[in-house]
Amino acid sequence: RKEVEQDPGPFNVPEGATVAFNCTYSNSASQSFFWYRQDCRKEPKLLMSVYSSGNEDGRFTAQLNRASQYISLLIRDSKLSDSATYLCAVNIFPRDNAGNMLTFGGGTRLMVKP
Amino acid sequence: IAGITQAPTSQILAAGRRMTLRCTQDMRHNAMYWYRQDLGLGLRLIHYSNTAGTTGKGEVPDGYSVSRANTDDFPLTLASAVPSQTSVYFCASKRTGDTGELFFGEGSRLTVL
Repeated sequence: RKEVEQDPGPFNVPEGATVAFNCTYSNSASQSFFWYRQDCRKEPKLLMSVYSSGNEDGRFTAQLNRASQYISLLIRDSKLSDSATYLCAVNIFPRDNAGNMLTFGGGTRLMVKP
Repeated sequence: IAGITQAPTSQILAAGRRMTLRCTQDMRHNAMYWYRQDLGLGLRLIHYSNTAGTTGKGEVPDGYSVSRANTDDFPLTLASAVPSQTSVYFCASKRTGDTGELFFGEGSRLTVL
């Protein structure tokens, strides 16, 4: 089982729709959680961090459920420009405590149609 | 230079050849990373470096080596390229101890024939 898993999609939604993505992680010791956005043939860029209390940034809401080990991203009032791949990332401290690094899910592709 | 610069942006390589992908950052970040991205597999960590002079193995290190002689540069070397190393390679950096944002380069698209 992969450490971080996402539904690859694609999610095809009309403009104005609300869409939600989930991401599950297997390591209960995971410390930090993030959503990245990646446009086609571009590098990933941080969309938002995910806090225990949940957080909102405009049309985007991120939530963390530690008990069930998943994070979610909700996009309201979808725009054409939201079309991209959304990657979840989990910060897992390695056993040798050599540092910490992000483990990414495979990404969920979103296509917003006119 | 602003942020992270990778070179080359694209390369076609014959199997068995040696190849070095270059990565330079000007943000004075201590931690640097190399990921490869393949369809259906997402981003997988190859090697990382928490500070100049130290390196570590990630999830898929075989066939790759790295060095970190200084803070700014983190080259990735394929000693003898194989077709399974065809991928898009991303270099990234962040401040050590900061659990937050990774800054990525624009990627190097490598095809091994």
